Amino acid sequence: SQQGEEDPQALSIQEGENATMNCSYKTSINNLQWYRQNSGRGLVHLILIRSNEREKHSGRLRVTLDTSKKSSSLLITASRAADTASYFCATDAGSWGKLQFGAGTQVVVTP
Amino acid sequence: NAGVTQTPKFRVLKTGQSMTLLCAQDMNHEYMYWYRQDPGMGLRLIHYSVGEGTTAKGEVPDGYNVSRLKKQNFLLGLESAAPSQTSVYFCASSSVLLAKNIQYFGAGTRLSVL
Repeated sequence: SQQGEEDPQALSIQEGENATMNCSYKTSINNLQWYRQNSGRGLVHLILIRSNEREKHSGRLRVTLDTSKKSSSLLITASRAADTASYFCATDAGSWGKLQFGAGTQVVVTP
Repeated sequence: NAGVTQTPKFRVLKTGQSMTLLCAQDMNHEYMYWYRQDPGMGLRLIHYSVGEGTTAKGEVPDGYNVSRLKKQNFLLGLESAAPSQTSVYFCASSSVLLAKNIQYFGAGTRLSVL
């Protein structure tokens, strides 16, 4: 069973716009991570937020975490065509390094 | 620095055939994982290993076996392939250090079972 549920499943925006996607999960976590997957490629780690953090920034990425609501959001500002990819949240509940992945949000950025 | 390397990249099998997928990492990571990815379902953990000589079942282990004889290698075996095992398989590794468990992924193996 999947720990994380992403919303929306798909998102289409134009270059320069912001993209926001959400992740909800079910159990207590140590941290929550976001990964990107380009078509036909493996996943690449983007950002990690620990359970005692509420917000984290990395370049054009902003992640928030609300442990009371068991939810997280990923914001990509000033989107570029190269941001076209699927984005996955993954939760680490501290069990031998295992991550639980959501089904992903497919983002298409058009020039 | 190669990171995580999976071989082969593509494979077509007939039902009942067997095969082994190889994963190799050069980052000296302790943990290694095998996932399968199916449309609309994200990644599901098949088996994982927390060190050389140790393996454990993940979420969907049936029909698969694994071995970790060397720290850098993690093998995934299909003894008798079934069409339900048609999927994209990803290997990942992570370090126990820093308590972060960031996983590094290979490029994937696309397997079709006819």
